[in-house]
Amino acid sequence: NAGVTQTPKFQVLKTGQSMTLQCAQDMNHEYMSWYRQDPGMGLRLIHYSVGAGITDQGEVPNGYNVSRSTTEDFPLRLLSAAPSQTSVYFCASSYNFEGNQPQHFGDGTRLSIL
Amino acid sequence: KNEVEQSPQNLTAQEGEFITINCSYSVGISALHWLQQHPGGGIVSLFMLSSGKKKHGRLIATINIQEKHSSLHITASHPRDSAVYICAVLPPLGGTYKYIFGTGTRLKVLA
Repeated sequence: NAGVTQTPKFQVLKTGQSMTLQCAQDMNHEYMSWYRQDPGMGLRLIHYSVGAGITDQGEVPNGYNVSRSTTEDFPLRLLSAAPSQTSVYFCASSYNFEGNQPQHFGDGTRLSIL
Repeated sequence: KNEVEQSPQNLTAQEGEFITINCSYSVGISALHWLQQHPGGGIVSLFMLSSGKKKHGRLIATINIQEKHSSLHITASHPRDSAVYICAVLPPLGGTYKYIFGTGTRLKVLA
């Protein structure tokens, strides 16, 4: 199994540009989520989904959109990139949200906004 | 004050030492997870706890629900254990589906 696949691994954008970070999992997991990781701070939840067609906001959703049209894919869209969105982004998935299932993380996307 | 606090923030140990990393939380939870983030950035799940104690190889995780505290122990530490260890809590089922993360403990084990 490939697990959780994130693309791209690195990206540099200019302020105001838009882009989509891709996340795909092949484990038939219901729960998927996007986090950002900044120096000195823990992982912070941006958006999450508990199944196809269902998404909700996390702790820091402003400036980001998500959709979940299939179980496998959960793309994260930056609408108009800002320097404050420079961060490392992780996608994660788990079988369900029972608490007894591990989260599987992608390798991360390092994003720089100039 | 963060809802999930880890201590210490940084830890340097000699190979073979017994290591303890602590996690305290202030919210109700249904489960607590310990994660390991390698120097290259990848994150893997180590343990999921809702009570008691779990052991996997040289790693032991414990949780005390009444005291809202969990510990991760590493016995006979090795340089390959060098990583950031992250504690994450899950709210009670039926609440929000949002993990809350600590800021991590950076461990360096010297040969």
